[in-house]
Amino acid sequence: DVKVTQSSRYLVKRTGEKVFLECVQDMDHENMFWYRQDPGLGLRLIYFSYDVKMKEKGDIPEGYSVSREKKERFSLILESASTNQTSMYLCASGQDHINYGYTFGSGTRLTVV
Amino acid sequence: KQEVTQIPAALSVPEGENLVLNCSFTDSAIYNLQWFRQDPGKGLTSLLLIQSSQREQTSGRLNASLDKSSGRSTLYIAASQPGDSATYLCAAANQAGTALIFGKGTTLSVSS
Repeated sequence: DVKVTQSSRYLVKRTGEKVFLECVQDMDHENMFWYRQDPGLGLRLIYFSYDVKMKEKGDIPEGYSVSREKKERFSLILESASTNQTSMYLCASGQDHINYGYTFGSGTRLTVV
Repeated sequence: KQEVTQIPAALSVPEGENLVLNCSFTDSAIYNLQWFRQDPGKGLTSLLLIQSSQREQTSGRLNASLDKSSGRSTLYIAASQPGDSATYLCAAANQAGTALIFGKGTTLSVSS
């Protein structure tokens, strides 16, 4: 089974800090995604990547950036954390040509105080 | 732009009932549709994936159907159990490898 690992389950950071959320997948998947999930708003796409060093903005990229230096790792960066970035962050990975759908990590609950 | 809607937002049933969760999408040109389960505070667990060329998929007590022409998918849960209590999310992919577009989910509560 594909495994998508998010480095932290719970994280508390201070306003203005630079925050790194890490996601690693073990199946050599090309495509990786970052979503955030908020009550009443559902899952919203922040950024995605189709290959190493490639990135595309999703629906809500403001305040975030990403890094994909290696195929298995996709990092989400909050350049200067703000309280409105308190949320559940979910990472997913998948392939184009092998249509098994996408696999999600366990999520990181980030609180910015 | 694809939009995915799930109704109802919440559902409560007694144990043993068969139930149907609904998912509708606005653009019928989808590549596939995936159903997920989410327990409180946890990540998403994939339940079933239906390709655009398929009509349904089954796994144990779960059966998911897809009707592209009407823009609808249903998740049928047979003989519901308290352990089925969770939020169920459907998500559509418009093209291979593109990001999933999610509905807001149906929160199911099964009472014993």
